[in-house]
Formats: sequence, structure tokens, C-alpha cells
Amino acid sequence: DAGVTQSPTHLIKTRGQQVTLRCSPKSGHDTVSWYQQALGQGPQFIFQYYEEEERQRGNFPDRFSGHQFPNYSSELNVNALLLGDSALYLCASSLASGGGIGELFFGEGSRLTVL
Amino acid sequence: GQSLEQPSEVTAVEGAIVQINCTYQTSGFYGLSWYQQHDGGAPTFLSYNALDGLEETGRFSSFLSRSDSYGYLLLQELQMKDSASYFCAVRGWQAGTALIFGKGTTLSVSS
Repeated sequence: DAGVTQSPTHLIKTRGQQVTLRCSPKSGHDTVSWYQQALGQGPQFIFQYYEEEERQRGNFPDRFSGHQFPNYSSELNVNALLLGDSALYLCASSLASGGGIGELFFGEGSRLTVL
Repeated sequence: GQSLEQPSEVTAVEGAIVQINCTYQTSGFYGLSWYQQHDGGAPTFLSYNALDGLEETGRFSSFLSRSDSYGYLLLQELQMKDSASYFCAVRGWQAGTALIFGKGTTLSVSS
């Protein structure tokens, strides 16, 4: 049973560029959440997708956008990259019907460096 | 909104017991979770408390006091492999909403 897979694992961009990160959730999961984790910090919630719609959003600017496809996979897009966007981007999948526990299964992340 | 406070670092020796505290402020509360993350790896789920009291899972236990907005993770019989970052996380007003994480506690276990 494949877990959460993310691509690419590492990438380098320059300021002003755009980036797309991809995530395939754990088999059977229908909800995808994206997190940004700066070095030495906890994961910061970006947004959550369910049934191809953004269900909840954290305190991130509109430069951060996403999409969920019918197969539940998801993309995170970041436009007009800033140096401060350098971070590990984590995708987490879960079951909407998972109840209170709502355990998140994380991928290994995409390490973005903005120069 | 939600905010969580936990110590930034804890050190201990092999075989010892360590407690990592977490206090939270949230407009709604649907449970406190704990996750472990080894250097640069994927965070993994450890435990969950929705009601007051202690939940035990092997060497790890987690406690919650809803009236105090406080919880802790207790790690017993520490091993070198327990060196990692530990995050408490809360879910707000209903099941299915996003988990909000604390800044994490780095645990260093020495021999």
C-alpha cells in the first residue's frame, strides 16, 4: 500500500518564478492538506482540499493556490516566489470520515530553495 | 484562531523519562494530537486525546486536561532513536478541520 508520495523532492528556483508541487495521497484517502515547514519550525497550515474544493485555508497570501483532482491527488502552486518561501512543503492525507482522530499521513516533502 | 506553546528543547539520557508539555489556545477544541519528526523526514502520528486523562501506547503516553488547555507527551525508557522533534497539534471546532501544529520540541537523547 503506497503511502503519500510527493514530487519533486528537491528544487531550486529564483525570486519571481512560479513552482508547482505534486502530491498523491495514501490509497483510500480523500482529503489532502498542505503545510509549509521552515527550518526549526512546526508545519504551518496552508490549505486543505476535499471533493476538489478548498475547504479551509490558513494565513497564506493568494500567491499560494492549489487544486485537487478527481483521483484525490493534489497540486500546490506558488507564484512570484520570495526568498521567504524557501521551506519544506509537506502534503498530508486523511479520511474525511476519519472522525475525531483524523490522523494525518505525511509525505517526505518537497524541499524548495528560492535564490 | 489557535496557538500552541511547547518547550523548544529537551535533553535526556538513555533509559530516562521525559515529559513534553503543551498549552493551547483555541476558539474550539476537538482534540490534541502528537507527532514525531526525525531530521527532515515526514511527521508521523503518535497519539490523540479528545477527553481528559491519560492514553498509553507502549513507551509513549499522552495526557490531556481540557479545563487547563494543557497536555503532555510522556516518553519512557528513552532510546537514542527517540531523538527527534515532537509536535503537539490541535483541531479546532469540528472533526475534519485542519490540524494546527506547535513549533515543536527537539528532544536529544544521549548515552
